[in-house]
Amino acid sequence: DQQVKQNSPSLSVQEGRISILNCDYTNSMFDYFLWYKKYPAEGPTFLISISSIKDKNEDGRFTVFLNKSAKHLSLHIVPSQPGDSAVYFCAASGGAGTYKYIFGTGTRLKVLA
Amino acid sequence: NAGVMQNPRHLVRRRGQEARLRCSPMKGHSHVYWYRQLPEEGLKFMVYLQKENIIDESGMPKERFSAEFPKEGPSILRIQQVVRGDSAAYFCASSPPPGQTNYEQYFGPGTRLTVT
Repeated sequence: DQQVKQNSPSLSVQEGRISILNCDYTNSMFDYFLWYKKYPAEGPTFLISISSIKDKNEDGRFTVFLNKSAKHLSLHIVPSQPGDSAVYFCAASGGAGTYKYIFGTGTRLKVLA
Repeated sequence: NAGVMQNPRHLVRRRGQEARLRCSPMKGHSHVYWYRQLPEEGLKFMVYLQKENIIDESGMPKERFSAEFPKEGPSILRIQQVVRGDSAAYFCASSPPPGQTNYEQYFGPGTRLTVT
């Protein structure tokens, strides 16, 4: 049972445009969500997170939106840069003090110069 | 401030041999997590450890797999009598103690295990 789903395995975007990566979850107990970026042969790198008490969190070019009623979150990258090309993983956990991250299967983003 | 370190980065074992994967957490972190990533899949939680204590091993296969985090030295994930299905990338992460605030886990570069 896949509790965190990233239904788009890949996405291509032109440099300078917006990249939107989507993530859906099924467990209503999840209340903390994270996005990680992963380059080949490297470990995941933390990008941005959001608590369920918020619906938006912004950090530079990266913004995460959370829609609790739809159990959906998205990561927006504006403007997209070639260096953003990587696999992006969405992860969820059951809140403060809960250590187990549940990861989606990832979306491979390719930013075209 | 060194990040999470894992070694070896690549490990090749024949079926039936033992694999030992090491993880040194980030400085100041006392909590370690192991995840496994199979090809074309996301990372799957395996085990969560503190120093000298296994907190949750619910993601570990019941046989052949074990983990430890001794008082001194790195955390070790041990796989006995490896089979081809154990071929995967194994990632270690560390964090400060989970408490009243949310936190992030910081990942190492992974060990890629290939069983021939």
